[in-house]
Amino acid sequence: DTAVSQTPKYLVTQMGNDKSIKCEQNLGHDTMYWYKQDSKKFLKIMFSYNNKELIINETVPNRFSPKSPDKAHLNLHINSLELGDSAVYFCASSQGTPGGRAEAFFGQGTRLTVV
Amino acid sequence: GEDVEQSLFLSVREGDSSVINCTYTDSSSTYLYWYKQEPGAGLQLLTYIFSNMDMKQDQRLTVLLNKKDKHLSLRIADTQTGDSAIYFCAERNTGFQKLVFGTGTRLLVSP
Repeated sequence: DTAVSQTPKYLVTQMGNDKSIKCEQNLGHDTMYWYKQDSKKFLKIMFSYNNKELIINETVPNRFSPKSPDKAHLNLHINSLELGDSAVYFCASSQGTPGGRAEAFFGQGTRLTVV
Repeated sequence: GEDVEQSLFLSVREGDSSVINCTYTDSSSTYLYWYKQEPGAGLQLLTYIFSNMDMKQDQRLTVLLNKKDKHLSLRIADTQTGDSAIYFCAERNTGFQKLVFGTGTRLLVSP
């Protein structure tokens, strides 16, 4: 009964390929995120969607394109993969009540390795 | 601006208390959080504190907030080997739908 689930858990691919990571949440939240965690474990937000609308895009290269078909899903498509894209990508969701607690619940992560 | 800093490592012996510190710069932060990340896993929310509080206790966990100095700490009492993990503090302000995470503190508990 996973709250935030991502697939795949591991992804190994060659430079130049295009790949997608999928995320689904069953918490009824209206806000979803993609975070990137690098090899030093630093976590940086990439995108945030609220009710299927993009509200945050933190200067991510346009090779990364998020898509939210509905409130419960947020997918990440990456074109022309580069070595520097190797990282763990986390999906998260929260309930975006203004001024509310809005703690984020995280998926298990997708470890992307570009070779 | 947003900048959240933590010391990178902390090593304690089993049974001791651990104190993990965090400083942040955004004075408009409303909620502050502590997350735990075990190897190969996602982030698990441990606890949170609202910015108008200065202390919160939850079983073995005590959160202290000094809003004037923008300093947050997490104390783990009677630390166990299972507490070994990376601990992240995070802040959320009213204006933005995102959490800004600290650099993470790797806690190592030795028997």
